[in-house]
Amino acid sequence: SQQGEEDPQALSIQEGENATMNCSYKTSINNLQWYRQNSGRGLVHLILIRSNEREKHSGRLRVTLDTSKKSSSLLITASRAADTASYFCATDPDTGGFKTIFGAGTRLFVKA
Amino acid sequence: EAQVTQNPRYLITVTGKKLTVTCSQNMNHEYMSWYRQDPGLGLRQIYYSMNVEVTDKGDVPEGYKVSRKEKRNFPLILESPSPNQTSLYFCASSLSRGPPYNEQFFGPGTRLTVL
Repeated sequence: SQQGEEDPQALSIQEGENATMNCSYKTSINNLQWYRQNSGRGLVHLILIRSNEREKHSGRLRVTLDTSKKSSSLLITASRAADTASYFCATDPDTGGFKTIFGAGTRLFVKA
Repeated sequence: EAQVTQNPRYLITVTGKKLTVTCSQNMNHEYMSWYRQDPGLGLRQIYYSMNVEVTDKGDVPEGYKVSRKEKRNFPLILESPSPNQTSLYFCASSLSRGPPYNEQFFGPGTRLTVL
């Protein structure tokens, strides 16, 4: 079963603009992570936010987590053409097991 | 260099012919996992392993087997592949799964086609 659902499915912006992607999930979690994937290659970890954190920054990335709404957002500021990729959220559910559940992803295209 | 390696990277096979995809990590990670990625579905977890000889099912384990006899290796076995197992497969590892929680490192992927 898919827990993470990203929104939008696809996003096209101009270089220099900000990109915001959202993720919703269904069960309580230990943490939520965001990954980037360039065209069929391996995923690269971007940022991890724990269930007791509300916001986290890493360079041009800002992640928020709202556990009451079971949602997270990833903001990429001042986007670059090199940010063109698919972005996935992944959750570690707090259900007693050790699964990881990924969403279907948001495809971001940044036009130069 | 710290990495997760998978072999083969590409494989075309026929229905019913047993195959193994190897995965190895050199980071002394406890947790390892296999995912498949299909268009529009994101990544779905097949199996994971918390440590040597400790494995458990993910969301889509049917048709797959795994083993964890050594900490660094986590092979994925398809005993009788079928066309619906045509997919892009990723192996991943992380230091552990408990607090303080760690990110997963992914291999480059194995593109499998079953005819």
